[in-house]
Amino acid sequence: DTGVSQNPRHKITKRGQNVTFRCDPISEHNRLYWYRQTLGQGPEFLTYFQNEAQLEKSRLLSDRFSAERPKGSFSTLEIQRTEQGDSAMYLCASSLVGKNTEAFFGQGTRLTVV
Amino acid sequence: AQSVTQLGSHVSVSEGALATPRCNYSSSVPPYLFWYVQYPNQGLQLLLKYTTGATLVKGINGFEAEFKKSETSFHLTKPSAHMSDAAEYFCAVSWAQGGKLIFGQGTELSVKP
Repeated sequence: DTGVSQNPRHKITKRGQNVTFRCDPISEHNRLYWYRQTLGQGPEFLTYFQNEAQLEKSRLLSDRFSAERPKGSFSTLEIQRTEQGDSAMYLCASSLVGKNTEAFFGQGTRLTVV
Repeated sequence: AQSVTQLGSHVSVSEGALATPRCNYSSSVPPYLFWYVQYPNQGLQLLLKYTTGATLVKGINGFEAEFKKSETSFHLTKPSAHMSDAAEYFCAVSWAQGGKLIFGQGTELSVKP
C-alpha cells in the first residue's frame, strides 16, 4: 500500500465553478478525515467518516461543501459555487480505529480560485 | 473551546544546535498528543505521538517530546538540528482515539549552516 492518495494534486478554477476532489485512504483504514489548510496556518478539521457514515461536520463547513464516502472506501469532497476564500490546501487523512491512534495524511489537493 | 498554542511561529537555530518548537494545549483532560512535520507543498508526516505511559516519547529522525500534564505542554526537541530538519512543525491534539485533530498554527524551523 502506498499510503493515502489524493487527486488531483492541483486545481485551478474560476469563481462560481464546482470542483470535486478525491481521496483514497490506506486500504484497511475505517476512518477518513478532511482538513483544510490556508497559507501560514495549521490544518482545520472539516469532516470525518467511519466507514460510510459521516460522523461529524465542522461548523466551518458551509452548505456549499459536501463530502461522501459511498462504499466506505474512497471519499469525495465537492465545493459548489467556489469563492476566492475557498483557495487552500485540502488534506485527507485516514486511520484504523482500534489499531492505532495516529492519522496518516495524503499530499493534499491545492485549490486556487481565480 | 479546546485549543493548541504554538509559541513562536518561527524558530531559527544553527546546524548542530538544540531546536525546541513549543506546544501547549487547553484542557484539564489529558489528550492524545502528536507532532507532525510538513515540507513545502507536501502533506503531514507523523514525527511522534503520546497516548499513555512514559511521558518522554521518541520519534523519527532523532526528535523527542515530553508530555507535562501539570504544564499542559508537549514541547518538541531535536538535540542537534540538521539542515534537513528545516520544515514546518505542527502540534496536534485529539480527545478521543481516532477523533478529529486540533492543530496549532505551526512553527517554521530554519537551520543555518
